[in-house]
Amino acid sequence: GDSVTQMEGPVTLSEEAFLTINCTYTATGYPSLFWYVQYPGEGLQLLLKATKADDKGSNKGFEATYRKETTSFHLEKGSVQVSDSAVYFCALSPDSGGYQKVTFGIGTKLQVIP
Amino acid sequence: NAGVMQNPRHLVRRRGQEARLRCSPMKGHSHVYWYRQLPEEGLKFMVYLQKENIIDESGMPKERFSAEFPKEGPSILRIQQVVRGDSAAYFCASSPELAGGRETQYFGPGTRLLVL
Repeated sequence: GDSVTQMEGPVTLSEEAFLTINCTYTATGYPSLFWYVQYPGEGLQLLLKATKADDKGSNKGFEATYRKETTSFHLEKGSVQVSDSAVYFCALSPDSGGYQKVTFGIGTKLQVIP
Repeated sequence: NAGVMQNPRHLVRRRGQEARLRCSPMKGHSHVYWYRQLPEEGLKFMVYLQKENIIDESGMPKERFSAEFPKEGPSILRIQQVVRGDSAAYFCASSPELAGGRETQYFGPGTRLLVL
């Protein structure tokens, strides 16, 4: 079945450091790929998405590129801020043409210190 | 346009009681999904509903759990005779009518259930 593997946290960075959170997936065909962010005590917010190979999703300085050859969708940001502290989930929905049964990774907690 | 609404935000129940969680999808959305997040884990799909229909309940435990999405009113996730292992955050998501699939799901703030 479909699965998403992301690096375990927590990840602790100083403000303005470069961020990479690795994500790889297993799925047939061309799933859609997502990054969601969860701030403390809140629900998930869609951060960015990509629906086909080589697409780059971007939002709020975050980027991720859909790499079919390596089945990866790594999240990057050039300069993190304290306000980026949250849990980040990589996710996919299958290439079924039907409804989305989203599969999530375990989540990576990011802590940015001033 | 209000987002996905869930209530209550926090719910405390004793073992054996019933828990009833409500979800109002975004305006114009006719598809509802329920997910469970156990402590220190990612979200796991439970059930997918359209108005008055359960489409996929493959992720929902066979006993004690049920879900509905009536023609009028919110979607309800009901847990009967709760046990401590049911303690988790339950998230609802909604999406609009699919047009070829791939519509993004929008999540509510979740209901955090604690079973004593």
